[in-house]
Amino acid sequence: GNSVTQMEGPVTLSEEAFLTINCTYTATGYPSLFWYVQYPGEGLQLLLKATKADDKGSNKGFEATYRKETTSFHLEKGSVQVSDSAVYFCALSDRGSARQLTFGSGTQLTVLP
Amino acid sequence: EAQVTQNPRYLITVTGKKLTVTCSQNMNHEYMSWYRQDPGLGLRQIYYSMNVEVTDKGDVPEGYKVSRKEKRNFPLILESPSPNQTSLYFCASSLTEQTEAFFGQGTRLTVV
Repeated sequence: GNSVTQMEGPVTLSEEAFLTINCTYTATGYPSLFWYVQYPGEGLQLLLKATKADDKGSNKGFEATYRKETTSFHLEKGSVQVSDSAVYFCALSDRGSARQLTFGSGTQLTVLP
Repeated sequence: EAQVTQNPRYLITVTGKKLTVTCSQNMNHEYMSWYRQDPGLGLRQIYYSMNVEVTDKGDVPEGYKVSRKEKRNFPLILESPSPNQTSLYFCASSLTEQTEAFFGQGTRLTVV
């Protein structure tokens, strides 16, 4: 079956630090990969996505590259802000499945001023 | 405004008392799902629906029911809630199984 493994949290960084959150996946088909973000008290919202190998998704300064050879989709940002504090979820959607998303366990990020 | 609306946002109930959490989307999406979010476990899918009258079990369906009588609505039913169903619940919809999912604000359920 499909699964997503995410870096354990919580992660605490100072403002302007570099961020990496690791994500690896297992899928039986040809998945699309996503990063969702959850701000306190809110639902999840899409941060970025990539639909095929070597695609790079980017949004709000965040980037992630779909690496088929390492089955990874690591999230990066060069300079985090306090407003980036949230929970980040890696997820996949498999073309061979109608089940929408399989999520990782989430990584809590706190950015200190 | 495109949105997924869940109600209620917060609910405290007693063991065994039937409850329904409603979910409605205004984007004409085919796919809808229910997830529960628990600390350290991420989001786990309870049920999903590919279209009207088409539903199937996700990873943790025990103790839950769903129905999809209209495209826009996908209620989650707990016939006899138990304390282990205390959780944060999210409804989501998407145009297809591969496209972006839109999430509701969540329903925090406590069963005592």
